[in-house]
Amino acid sequence: AQSVTQLDSQVPVFEEAPVELRCNYSSSVSVYLFWYVQYPNQGLQLLLKYLSGSTLVKGINGFEAEFNKSQTSFHLRKPSVHISDTAEYFCAVTNTDKLIFGTGTRLQVFP
Amino acid sequence: EPEVTQTPSHQVTQMGQEVILRCVPISNHLYFYWYRQILGQKVEFLVSFYNNEISEKSEIFDDQFSVERPDGSNFTLKIRSTKLEDSAMYFCASSPGTNGGTQYFGPGTRLTVL
Repeated sequence: AQSVTQLDSQVPVFEEAPVELRCNYSSSVSVYLFWYVQYPNQGLQLLLKYLSGSTLVKGINGFEAEFNKSQTSFHLRKPSVHISDTAEYFCAVTNTDKLIFGTGTRLQVFP
Repeated sequence: EPEVTQTPSHQVTQMGQEVILRCVPISNHLYFYWYRQILGQKVEFLVSFYNNEISEKSEIFDDQFSVERPDGSNFTLKIRSTKLEDSAMYFCASSPGTNGGTQYFGPGTRLTVL
């Protein structure tokens, strides 16, 4: 069975500052990793995913994530956030097609 | 860009009533899913559907739940006798393939059971 831990329920940050949202996973088999974003009153939108190959994955809206197998982590980063990045971010894992989500991190960007 | 659509956006029902939540997946996708998110909690997998069959379901997906693809475009989730604890946001998703294939989510249906 897989599980996902998002250590921070909320991350407040000022506009143009860098941000890192942490995600750790647990699995006894190889997995695929995803970050989804949920804007208010909207569905989940894929930011990026790791399937194999390069451990640094670039996604939409300037986000990137690094897969670290030894630390079982897949942290999401952005070098300079905008007000419009305010949203809920979910890390997810799967080895089939059933996505297992973390509890989410609310990113709040202040002017 | 094609997207997954869901209707209604909000459904209010009385406990014990049947509800049907509707989804139109992206047209060339083959795999379909339902997830739910109880307010303040994580998104949870309910069921996956492929080739007109359930391929996997969670413990949540008991006999009160059923899914159907009645025609070539719709994908429905039926809850036969709703309970208060069924109140949640229900998301439909579709994917062109498994093994890491991206799941595209709809905007959700908020179900409120009174």
